[in-house]
Amino acid sequence: QKEVEQDPGPLSVPEGAIVSLNCTYSNSAFQYFMWYRQYSRKGPELLMYTYSSGNKEDGRFTAQVDKSSKYISLFIRDSQPSDSATYLCAMDSGGSNYKLTFGKGTLLTVNP
Amino acid sequence: GAGVSQSPSNKVTEKGKDVELRCDPISGHTALYWYRQRLGQGLEFLIYFQGNSAPDKSGLPSDRFSAERTGESVSTLTIQRTQQEDSAVYLCASSLNPGNSPLHFGNGTRLTVT
Repeated sequence: QKEVEQDPGPLSVPEGAIVSLNCTYSNSAFQYFMWYRQYSRKGPELLMYTYSSGNKEDGRFTAQVDKSSKYISLFIRDSQPSDSATYLCAMDSGGSNYKLTFGKGTLLTVNP
Repeated sequence: GAGVSQSPSNKVTEKGKDVELRCDPISGHTALYWYRQRLGQGLEFLIYFQGNSAPDKSGLPSDRFSAERTGESVSTLTIQRTQQEDSAVYLCASSLNPGNSPLHFGNGTRLTVT
């Protein structure tokens, strides 16, 4: 079993839809959870950064972490064509652990 | 600069040649990372620098790969005797501190070995 599993998609939705992106993980030591957005031929851009369990909201984006289920989600409300990108989840255990472990990414297309 | 800068943005080289990839991190970021992204794959950790030291080089795929950092700033990733399987996007990232601060990535160097 890989440390982080992420459905690669592709996922195609109409403009205005609510998008749900998910990752599962196996390492219970993970405490820090991130979502990155990567446009074609660009580097990953940090979207959300959360510590431990709970929800965090930033504009149209909401990140959820459920450590008991080892499951994290990113919700995008009122999706826009400009949200079309690959979304990568990443996590680490903090402290002296410096290696982020990434999912493979989910390719999202929002159709106008 | 405002973000992490990498050069060149694209590099095409012949099998067997050596290549050097450069990274300029965000000013003041003590930690610097190199990742590799192959087509359809997740990001693969290569090496991490804290200051000018590399505490962990375990992600480097072979002894053909090496990296250095000077002045707690610029880093160079060198691949000797390139092979076709080295073709990938090489991403550099920096963070304020290792372990509990988010990584900020450059746009990468797209390496193609023919």
